[in-house]
Amino acid sequence: AQKVTQAQTEISVVEKEDVTLDCVYETRDTTYYLFWYKQPPSGELVFLIRRNSFDEQNEISGRYSWNFQKSTSSFNFTITASQVVDSAVYFCALSAGSSNTGKLIFGQGTTLQVKP
Amino acid sequence: ETGVTQTPRHLVMGMTNKKSLKCEQHLGHNAMYWYKQSAKKPLELMFVYSLEERVENNSVPSRFSPECPNSSHLFLHLHTLQPEDSALYLCASSQARLASSYNEQFFGPGTRLTVL
Repeated sequence: AQKVTQAQTEISVVEKEDVTLDCVYETRDTTYYLFWYKQPPSGELVFLIRRNSFDEQNEISGRYSWNFQKSTSSFNFTITASQVVDSAVYFCALSAGSSNTGKLIFGQGTTLQVKP
Repeated sequence: ETGVTQTPRHLVMGMTNKKSLKCEQHLGHNAMYWYKQSAKKPLELMFVYSLEERVENNSVPSRFSPECPNSSHLFLHLHTLQPEDSALYLCASSQARLASSYNEQFFGPGTRLTVL
């Protein structure tokens, strides 16, 4: 079975704090892809990052960084020096299997509130 | 227009009405998706179209009927819906020869549907 778990339902921080959003996934496939999306109040999901199962290098993009650890089946997302504009719902998603039709399995999402 | 657009943005309908949701992608992609986002559930994939052919139908009730006349347009026809069908309906597109697991999906802003 494939599953994504985002145990943190809501997180509230004060601006400039660092915050880490957790994501744990389950799959039996050896080839899979992990994604993070941001959903601001406007509704549309904004693509942030994609990682494949063969690349465990961590990635940094500005204030965003991602820690992929196959040993713990985790793909955590850290925002450094958070800003009010980071307030949104963040989704971790999994896509697996070579014959996959593009199906994304989403976690429940983590609502991040950054207070000024 | 750029990206993925959806119309209408908001829709209120009675259980006996027939309505349609429209999605258009301006990205030159060849795969399109319908997702349902309810308040207390993770995003659920409903339908996948690749090269205008339906490749996945995720056990969706027949009161939802998709249509993909070309690779740029996707419709979701609604009839005799139930109040529990009230949700945010998101359209997405991706670039792939066949809808596959490694291509990120780009989402539209969604249609907020309320069934009375």
